[in-house]
Amino acid sequence: DIVMTQSPLSLPVTPGEPASISCRSSQSLLHSNGYNFLDWYLQKPGQSPQLLIFLGSHRASGVPDRFSGSGSGTDFTLKISRVEAEDVGVYYCMNSLRAPLSFGGGTKVEIK
Amino acid sequence: EVQLVESGGGLVQPGGSLRLSCAASGFTFRSYWMSWVRQAPGKGLEWVATIKGDETDNYYVDSVRGRFTISRDNAKNSLYLQMNSLRAVDTAVYYCARDRVPESYGDMDVWGKGTTVMVSS
Repeated sequence: DIVMTQSPLSLPVTPGEPASISCRSSQSLLHSNGYNFLDWYLQKPGQSPQLLIFLGSHRASGVPDRFSGSGSGTDFTLKISRVEAEDVGVYYCMNSLRAPLSFGGGTKVEIK
Repeated sequence: EVQLVESGGGLVQPGGSLRLSCAASGFTFRSYWMSWVRQAPGKGLEWVATIKGDETDNYYVDSVRGRFTISRDNAKNSLYLQMNSLRAVDTAVYYCARDRVPESYGDMDVWGKGTTVMVSS
């Protein structure tokens, strides 16, 4: 099974400043079709999770372009170019390559 | 509007059973893989099970295999999770989610608000 590890656990951020979250998988998420099967989700306080990034770097519908995903194989990064107050919540990466699908432990982003 | 609405949660004793339902609307339900994801109190997300649109394939996390059964009724646009032999560790909010593209699972782009399951004596 693929184990997902995120860092940091908690990330205090200043509005307007950039932020970065790392995710590492225990096995490569690079498919033979050239895509990395890695998703990023955001769960805002009191809400259901929402898909931010799929296939490593593709923004989901309606996601602001300040969010970007990068990386390949086993190492991935989610970047927020300029954090806004509405970006607070817990961010999760997820292996979407094969079952069992697996989430990272989460990174809690909060405003300083 | 694309929407998923879960129901069926509640309080159940250890060893008991519960059946969760998820009503889908606003999209061609039978075309999409569908999943259940849970979140224990104060914990992170855990994928539970996934089923293909035509019901010919499904997958489970090891901790529920043999106890939980995912199914669907495409005529009723509904997804189900039959949970048997429930344990305290199954206590969680259970989310129904649609997988983004019909051809594959993963990339869950539509989520319900969740239904709460509490296993306790």
